[in-house]
Amino acid sequence: NAGVTQTPKFQVLKTGQSMTLQCAQDMNHEYMSWYRQDPGMGLRLIHYSVGAGITDQGEVPNGYNVSRSTTEDFPLRLLSAAPSQTSVYFCASSSRLPAQETQYFGPGTRLLVL
Amino acid sequence: RKEVEQDPGPFNVPEGATVAFNCTYSNSASQSFFWYRQDCRKEPKLLMSVYSSGNEDGRFTAQLNRASQYISLLIRDSKLSDSATYLCAAFSGAGSYQLTFGKGTKLSVIP
Repeated sequence: NAGVTQTPKFQVLKTGQSMTLQCAQDMNHEYMSWYRQDPGMGLRLIHYSVGAGITDQGEVPNGYNVSRSTTEDFPLRLLSAAPSQTSVYFCASSSRLPAQETQYFGPGTRLLVL
Repeated sequence: RKEVEQDPGPFNVPEGATVAFNCTYSNSASQSFFWYRQDCRKEPKLLMSVYSSGNEDGRFTAQLNRASQYISLLIRDSKLSDSATYLCAAFSGAGSYQLTFGKGTKLSVIP
């Protein structure tokens, strides 16, 4: 199993550009989530999904969209990038709710918005 | 106020020392608690879950105090390889299935 994969590893965007951060898992996990990590702020939940077709907002959802059309994939879309979205983005998954099962993180995407 | 708070440190301790991290949570509906470890420029990895009765895994002991709403992590006989950032996390169910993390506490174990 590849586990949780994220692409790209690094990305530089200009303000106003759009992009999609990809996240995929091959463990048939139901629960997936996106976090951003900023210095001094820790990990903050952006969006999460408890299964295909079901998504919900986390702590900092503004400026981001998600969809979950398959169990495997959970892409994160930035519609119009802003410098405040410069961060490291982690995708995570678990077979059931994180309360019950280990949550596995991907290696992260480092995003710089100029 | 952040829902999960922990001392950011850094904690600089000599090898062999015992170090304790505390973490408080504000949501009394939080159901489950965890400690994660994150190495520099890497993804977080689960270190251990925290059970109501307390639990131990080798040199690591985790405890939960629901009345005071805090969890703790004790590391005994610190090794150089324990140097990392330790993140506490709390899971709230009841319709909002979110795992909320503290900001992390950085530990440096010094030879």
